[in-house]
Amino acid sequence: SAVISQKPSRDICQRGTSLTIQCQVDSQVTMMFWYRQQPGQSLTLIATANQGSEATYESGFVIDKFPISRPNLTFSTLTVSNMSPEDSSIYLCSVEGSAGNTIYFGEGSWLTVV
Amino acid sequence: SQELEQSPQSLIVQEGKNLTINCTSSKTLYGLYWYKQKYGEGLIFLMMLQKGGEEKSHEKITAKLDEKKQQSSLHITASQPSHAGIYLCGADTGTSYGKLTFGQGTILTVHP
Repeated sequence: SAVISQKPSRDICQRGTSLTIQCQVDSQVTMMFWYRQQPGQSLTLIATANQGSEATYESGFVIDKFPISRPNLTFSTLTVSNMSPEDSSIYLCSVEGSAGNTIYFGEGSWLTVV
Repeated sequence: SQELEQSPQSLIVQEGKNLTINCTSSKTLYGLYWYKQKYGEGLIFLMMLQKGGEEKSHEKITAKLDEKKQQSSLHITASQPSHAGIYLCGADTGTSYGKLTFGQGTILTVHP
């Protein structure tokens, strides 16, 4: 199995500021995925992050608002920019397991924007 | 309409009772993942199904994927308070490698 660590686990952020979430995996993975889970909702994919190339964003998500870095095969960051209360969510990163038949998720980063 | 419909939305059972959660897709499923989530936390992987008619079990939890690969069920036998949480099904519908579409989740409460 893959062990995925996310930081921060929780944070309270001021409106208008930006916050960067880190995702560290204990093994090398080709693709990493960032999801958002708004309060009481299910998960929605934000973007797919490949090492060495720009992230691919899903409809409704843009790079200016959610810039992503993928400097190597074990690490990625997601920044939530110019936050508003609507950005209050749990943000989760996920990776595919080495066996190819499992997708693992991190513990999530619960952001509250005030 | 939702690509992935999960039912019921919430479920309250007495400890020891059996229960079933369903997940229905409007598209053919290339893979169906079941997860459990505690409130405010990450997702715990339970099982993944790929083949039509496939069935997998782990402890007291059994998941099945129907022959047409458009519906899955998660069955818990003799439920315990430790089973309480949010159960989510995630579907690989073949649109993009590793990308999952999720159902709305089922909130399970188990009363001792």
